[in-house]
Amino acid sequence: SQTIHQWPATLVQPVGSPLSLECTVEGTSNPNLYWYRQAAGRGLQLLFYSVGIGQISSEVPQNLSASRPQDRQFILSSKKLLLSDSGFYLCAWKSAGGRASSYEQYFGPGTRLTVT
Amino acid sequence: EDQVTQSPEALRLQEGESSSLNCSYTVSGLRGLFWYRQDPGKGPEFLFTLYSAGEEKEKERLKATLTKKESFLHITAPKPEDSATYLCAVQAYKAAGNKLTFGGGTRVLVKP
Repeated sequence: SQTIHQWPATLVQPVGSPLSLECTVEGTSNPNLYWYRQAAGRGLQLLFYSVGIGQISSEVPQNLSASRPQDRQFILSSKKLLLSDSGFYLCAWKSAGGRASSYEQYFGPGTRLTVT
Repeated sequence: EDQVTQSPEALRLQEGESSSLNCSYTVSGLRGLFWYRQDPGKGPEFLFTLYSAGEEKEKERLKATLTKKESFLHITAPKPEDSATYLCAVQAYKAAGNKLTFGGGTRVLVKP
């Protein structure tokens, strides 16, 4: 079966510090990978998605970046954090291919980021 | 641009009091509509996918239905453990990267 991991689970960082959040997926190959941010009491905002190694698409202009160094690894980074970067960051995967039953995304446990 | 609106924003129910959540959407060619459950501090948990108007899916006390403009999530005789935020999302046929567009969610609290 497939599993998705995110770490760290919680993070408190000062303004201007760098950021690196990691997401890994097990039990599947060549998944589509996604990074979302969720503000308190709000819906999910898609930040980045990747359909393959080294292929990153950005949805929202910001000081964040994403990378996919390996097939099942997705990293969210920032060189200098802003207060507005605080939130709940979620990684998700979707199976490769176009079968009708495979369009749903599956989410990781999330990382709670507080920028102080 | 694809849009999803969920109502109400919050719902307080007594245990056993059935109710429905609404998800209205506009999308250029619907591939699928998705329902998720999210508990506080956790990632969303996938519940259902609906693909065409008239389709229905059930899981325990939850039943999802789909029309051409909206979806309903019916909660029958809810229990306190059904308390959660329920998220609705759509995917268009032309969605680059198979990305989903989410609504703001409905927070459901079921009191014993």
